[in-house]
Amino acid sequence: GIQVEQSPPDLILQEGANSTLRCNFSDSVNNLQWFHQNPWGQLINLFYIPSGTKQNGRLSATTVATERYSLLYISSSQTTDSGVYFCAPPNAGGTSYGKLTFGQGTILTVHP
Amino acid sequence: NAGVTQTPKFQVLKTGQSMTLQCAQDMNHEYMSWYRQDPGMGLRLIHYSVGAGITDQGEVPNGYNVSRSTTEDFPLRLLSAAPSQTSVYFCASSYGVGDEQFFGPGTRLTVL
Repeated sequence: GIQVEQSPPDLILQEGANSTLRCNFSDSVNNLQWFHQNPWGQLINLFYIPSGTKQNGRLSATTVATERYSLLYISSSQTTDSGVYFCAPPNAGGTSYGKLTFGQGTILTVHP
Repeated sequence: NAGVTQTPKFQVLKTGQSMTLQCAQDMNHEYMSWYRQDPGMGLRLIHYSVGAGITDQGEVPNGYNVSRSTTEDFPLRLLSAAPSQTSVYFCASSYGVGDEQFFGPGTRLTVL
């Protein structure tokens, strides 16, 4: 199946700083999701992004499917951005059809 | 819309006990799935369903059963709980395979 690698594994920021999280994947994908898992364990949808760039407030994401990577940009970080960020492309077919393959995540800590 | 709901939020079982984790969605989604999240292992797919009456195994199905008698509900049954099933369980749904998936709040299960 598809392999997903996220970097960096850990990131510590001061409030107000900007950051870029990277997701590399081993096969072609039809789409990809970014999630934020907050300190209470909830998985919150950030982006559903097959290709191109999307923006939502201080967050934006870019997926370059042909080069098999996606980037998540966080600008003017806030303490509420702390948590784990996952990227997850789905299986396009075969076994476990539709399964999201999660990377190991980036643990983000934002200090006030 | 309530989205994806899961009950209970927390559960403690003794080895050998059985129980059912409930999952429901009110978005008329056809695709539903169960994942477990363990430290250092990411999220792994247990079972999934592409519609009422249709279920299939994911990557870690042993010890779990599912059924899908309605579009809205997708319960996960633990037949004889084992300590290795201590985990956080997430239910997810999407309109169709490959569409954006939404996760429930999770059930934290401890098996003693």
